[in-house]
Amino acid sequence: DQQVKQNSPSLSVQEGRISILNCDYTNSMFDYFLWYKKYPAEGPTFLISISSIKDKNEDGRFTVFLNKSAKHLSLHIVPSQPGDSAVYFCAASDNAGNMLTFGGGTRLMVKP
Amino acid sequence: GAGVSQTPSNKVTEKGKYVELRCDPISGHTALYWYRQSLGQGPEFLIYFQGTGAADDSGLPNDRFFAVRPEGSVSTLKIQRTERGDSAVYLCASSSGVSNEQFFGPGTRLTVL
Repeated sequence: DQQVKQNSPSLSVQEGRISILNCDYTNSMFDYFLWYKKYPAEGPTFLISISSIKDKNEDGRFTVFLNKSAKHLSLHIVPSQPGDSAVYFCAASDNAGNMLTFGGGTRLMVKP
Repeated sequence: GAGVSQTPSNKVTEKGKYVELRCDPISGHTALYWYRQSLGQGPEFLIYFQGTGAADDSGLPNDRFFAVRPEGSVSTLKIQRTERGDSAVYLCASSSGVSNEQFFGPGTRLTVL
């Protein structure tokens, strides 16, 4: 039973436009959410996170939105750049320091 | 500063053999995690250390898998009697223990023939 789901395996966006990556979760005990970016042959790189006490967190071109009632979060990248092309993973944790539960990933392709 | 390092980067072995995978966490990080990533999937949790002790090993798939962290820094993941289904990328991560952010190494790609 997947507790964290990314229903879109891939997304293609034109350079300069907005990329929106979505993530759904089922475990109501999750209280911290993270997005990671992964290039081939590298480990996941932390991008941005959000605590369940917030509904939005912004860091430069990256913004994460959390809708607790819908158990849904999204990552917005604007403007998208070709270097953003990678696989993006959503992850969740139920306590500081505990294991992360990951979604299956979404491959983002930003076309020049 | 140095990030998380993992050795070897690639390991090819034959079915039934024993393998050891090593992880060097970020200096000072008390928490260390092992994950396994199969093709087309997200990383799956295996085991988590806080200091020298395994705080949560609920993700280890069976008793062929074992991990140690004897001095609270470097960790070794050990797989006995490898099977073809063990083929995956094994990822190690570390964190300060009070933050949720985990910092990942590049992984070890294990191939069992």
